[in-house]
Amino acid sequence: AQKVTQTQTSISVMEKTTVTMDCVYETRDSSYFLFWYKQTASGEIVFLIRQDSYKKENATEGHYSLNFQKPKSSIGLIITATQIEDSAVYFCAMRDNTGYQNFYFGKGTSLTVIP
Amino acid sequence: EAAVTQSPRNKVTVTGGNVTLSCRQTNSHNYMYWYRQDTGHGLRLIHYSYGAGNLQIGDVPDGYKATRTTQEDFFLLLELASPSQTSLYFCASSRDWGGYEQYFGPGTRLTVL
Repeated sequence: AQKVTQTQTSISVMEKTTVTMDCVYETRDSSYFLFWYKQTASGEIVFLIRQDSYKKENATEGHYSLNFQKPKSSIGLIITATQIEDSAVYFCAMRDNTGYQNFYFGKGTSLTVIP
Repeated sequence: EAAVTQSPRNKVTVTGGNVTLSCRQTNSHNYMYWYRQDTGHGLRLIHYSYGAGNLQIGDVPDGYKATRTTQEDFFLLLELASPSQTSLYFCASSRDWGGYEQYFGPGTRLTVL
């Protein structure tokens, strides 16, 4: 069965530092897609970045990048030069080719950036 | 950018009440989803659809019905609301299968007294 696990419930970092949030997933498919979303304090959920399983290069988007370790079924989100506005809850999600291609979400990691 | 709207944004009802949550997306996305979000559980999928008239059961469907009347509109129905359904509800859409991300609505906060 598909499953996405985020073991870090909350993280606090100093502003302008780099933070990594962990995510591991389970799937039997050889082809799948991994996503990271951000939920702000207002409740808004926005898409940040995606990794396709068949791509070896780690995806990057602005000050977000991914650490994709396929043999470990791991997809870490790296935020460099953190800003106060990066304080939010971050969700990892996976979509594979099973059935109607549902999305599977982790429970989220709360990030606090300290000025 | 994809737009997903939800109405109402807040709703209070009583136990046994009848509630309909509405979702509209204006980008001709094929997939639409209803989630509930509760502390400690993250986002849990209730129902989803890959087109008008289609409905698929999610992970927590008990007590909920859904209907996709058009490509744009997806409704979540609570016919006998219970306090356990007090939650924050999100609608989302995605263009198609594969690597297309989801776009989320602003959420509806439902309180069942």
